[in-house]
Amino acid sequence: QKEVEQDPGPLSVPEGAIVSLNCTYSNSAFQYFMWYRQYSRKGPELLMYTYSSGNKEDGRFTAQVDKSSKYISLFIRDSQPSDSATYLCAMSLQKLVFGQGTRLTINP
Amino acid sequence: ETGVTQSPTHLIKTRGQQVTLRCSSQSGHNTVSWYQQALGQGPQFIFQYYREEENGRGNFPPRFSGLQFPNYSSELNVNALELDDSALYLCASSSGSSGANVLTFGAGSRLTVL
Repeated sequence: QKEVEQDPGPLSVPEGAIVSLNCTYSNSAFQYFMWYRQYSRKGPELLMYTYSSGNKEDGRFTAQVDKSSKYISLFIRDSQPSDSATYLCAMSLQKLVFGQGTRLTINP
Repeated sequence: ETGVTQSPTHLIKTRGQQVTLRCSSQSGHNTVSWYQQALGQGPQFIFQYYREEENGRGNFPPRFSGLQFPNYSSELNVNALELDDSALYLCASSSGSSGANVLTFGAGSRLTVL
């Protein structure tokens, strides 16, 4: 069993839709939770960073962490074609452990 | 403020050869981590360097080795290349070695092994 499980998609939605991306994890020792966005031929860039259970909002993005269920989510509101990318969840102790990534396409 | 730069961006090698990839860390960052990202997969941790010493290693064989220099730039060396080494190699820098530190990634070096 992988430490971090993420549905690879692909996921295709119309512009303006609400997008939900999810990851589950098995190691209860993970302390830090992140979402990275990776455009084609680019390195991952940090979108959201959370430490505790609960919600964190930044503009159209909301990150949610449920440590009791070992489950994290990223919600994108009013999705835009420019949001089309691969989204990677990542969790950290001393090193980052990534999910497989979900390829998201927002159709105009 | 410059970000993380990696070179070369693309390279092709044959099985058995050796490769060196280079990384310049973001200004102010003293820690460098290397990740391997196979096609369609998430990045996998290779190792981390903090103040020129290896400070953690993932599940990679000894033919993967690295260096960090006094200016915090870094090299990743891979000996005896295998076909499965074909991947995007990502360098990331941070201002500390703790898991709480945010990593800034470069665009990667795409290695193809034939």
